[in-house]
Amino acid sequence: QVHLAQSGAEVKKPGSSVRVSCVASGDTFSSYSLSWVRQAPGLGLEWMGRIIPSLDIKHYPQKFRGRVTITAVTSSNTAYMELSSLTSEDTALYYCVSFRRGHDFWGQGTLVTVSS
Amino acid sequence: EIVLTQSPAALSLSPGQTATLSCRASQSFSDYLCWYQHKPGQAPRLIIYDAVNRATDVPGRFRGSGSGTDFTLTISDLEPEDFAVYYCQQRADWISFGQGTRLEVK
Repeated sequence: QVHLAQSGAEVKKPGSSVRVSCVASGDTFSSYSLSWVRQAPGLGLEWMGRIIPSLDIKHYPQKFRGRVTITAVTSSNTAYMELSSLTSEDTALYYCVSFRRGHDFWGQGTLVTVSS
Repeated sequence: EIVLTQSPAALSLSPGQTATLSCRASQSFSDYLCWYQHKPGQAPRLIIYDAVNRATDVPGRFRGSGSGTDFTLTISDLEPEDFAVYYCQQRADWISFGQGTRLEVK
């Protein structure tokens, strides 16, 4: 069983950056990929990218390439997602997720609000 | 990147009826297709993986089918707790989600 604990809610100004953390416990953190998924109000789920901590391999979909950076520190079982050049459209609930065959583990979600 | 298109966008049915949700992919892939149920205030719940396998504790009224580019989630004998938003997700080429189908009470 894996538990993912995310950092708290953030309020940011347009044009700034936000970094959300995700601490994993109960499993071998570095062995599995860790993804970030967001849901903006009234919209669907969006996959923002993932990292394989043991290999430091990262994948980003076209939409977020250049604006999202996902990192991991294996010694502390922590993953980070940084999103830059924030606009109001980035207001959303952000989840870290460990997708596995047959079951997933989701963090509790971090609300990021972008407002001037 | 694989684009998933779900239909219909919304579906209004009554408890006891059968829901049929569709997910079409922009390119063919092996059966790395999942379905999620999402309710307000909760994390999405995995319902079906590998196109046809029910996740743990998912009732038998949920059935996944399809292959290639066309996939279907069928929910038989709808229960009140089944009304939610459903997303398909592919894991064949990185990850992507469909835009969702809202299943609502008629």
